[in-house]
Amino acid sequence: DTEVTQTPKHLVMGMTNKKSLKCEQHMGHRAMYWYKQKAKKPPELMFVYSYEKLSINESVPSRFSPECPNSSLLNLHLHALQPEDSALYLCASSQGRARGSGRQETQYFGPGTRLLVL
Amino acid sequence: SQQGEEDPQALSIQEGENATMNCSYKTSINNLQWYRQNSGRGLVHLILIRSNEREKHSGRLRVTLDTSKKSSSLLITASRAADTASYFCATDLNTGGFKTIFGAGTRLFVKA
Repeated sequence: DTEVTQTPKHLVMGMTNKKSLKCEQHMGHRAMYWYKQKAKKPPELMFVYSYEKLSINESVPSRFSPECPNSSLLNLHLHALQPEDSALYLCASSQGRARGSGRQETQYFGPGTRLLVL
Repeated sequence: SQQGEEDPQALSIQEGENATMNCSYKTSINNLQWYRQNSGRGLVHLILIRSNEREKHSGRLRVTLDTSKKSSSLLITASRAADTASYFCATDLNTGGFKTIFGAGTRLFVKA
């Protein structure tokens, strides 16, 4: 199974709502990523988990809260978002063997969740 | 600012022609990757080239890397309508392997 799945595919939420994005992979990968992508822009790294521990937080506002319950699952909890947070949220995973080695790994991406904040 | 900058921003060609996209970056890297993204979907990895490699091939794809000029190019030969997509280069920052920075991307449109 070389697939990364993301749910939901689409999400519309108000600024006072709390919602969660979910990502799952069963490739045995130990690194998982969240990216945000605005229209016609490249993906921007938000968080990286390595061996279920938060490894990188790219100064993301606290209204985004990542969680890695186990090696196969990655969540992104959303609370009090702003309309400018509307974007495509992409999850990715990689083997995780490059930890500390400096070697970039191939990342496998999910199809994304398209989020609209009203 | 972004680590990788790509040109052209958009490219429109006829089916059967070759498409060349360029990527420039600013800091030293361990390797560089190219990804493809169909409209509004996830990215698909195409090819990885290490900093000690100069050229790499995969099917109709040819990637070059010039570390002295901090640039890379992706050539797609004999393009097909199905190659229509956005193409991104991605680099690390030589900081531990997980921090990936994507270039601005080239939107390729192949006309049938």
